[in-house]
Amino acid sequence: GDSVTQMEGPVTLSEEAFLTINCTYTATGYPSLFWYVQYPGEGLQLLLKATKADDKGSNKGFEATYRKETTSFHLEKGSVQVSDSAVYFCALRFSGNTPLVFGKGTRLSVIA
Amino acid sequence: GAVVSQHPSWVICKSGTSVKIECRSLDFQATTMFWYRQFPKQSLMLMATSNEGSKATYEQGVEKDKFLINHASLTLSTLTVTSAHPEDSSFYICSARGLADGNSPLHFGNGTRLTVT
Repeated sequence: GDSVTQMEGPVTLSEEAFLTINCTYTATGYPSLFWYVQYPGEGLQLLLKATKADDKGSNKGFEATYRKETTSFHLEKGSVQVSDSAVYFCALRFSGNTPLVFGKGTRLSVIA
Repeated sequence: GAVVSQHPSWVICKSGTSVKIECRSLDFQATTMFWYRQFPKQSLMLMATSNEGSKATYEQGVEKDKFLINHASLTLSTLTVTSAHPEDSSFYICSARGLADGNSPLHFGNGTRLTVT
């Protein structure tokens, strides 16, 4: 079945460091890809998305590019802040009445 | 933007009682709602998919008699945890899909933290 694999956490970075969280997927076909963020004690918020190959999603300084050839959607940010500390989930979804398939999540802690 | 309201945000109940969680789409018609469960420091596991006016489809390993899902209208779905036990303590999150959403992201509620004592 379809699946998403994320790098294991936790990831601890100093403020202003460069962030990469790897995400690869396995799917039959070409799903849409998403990154969601979950701040402590809260629900999920959509961070960014890409719906087809070579699309780049971006939001709040985060970016991810849909790479069909490597089936990847790695999340990057050039300079993280303490407020970016959260759990990040990579997910895929096909159109229609289909749910999101989530990776296991990567916890990011940014220290001042 | 599309808003999904989930209520309550947290609940503490005694073992053996039942708890109902509501998920409402506030400004769109949710033809499909998905219920997820999240254990501490783990990912979201899909429990069931419900389409308005029909029975929910449960994922393997999810007890349908324990987790009752009702999707009686295009704006409301409910999850009832029946005869709750401490192992049912978890974070439950609903998400909704509208009629014209295609492959757009799903809209999520803020989740309900259930603690069974």
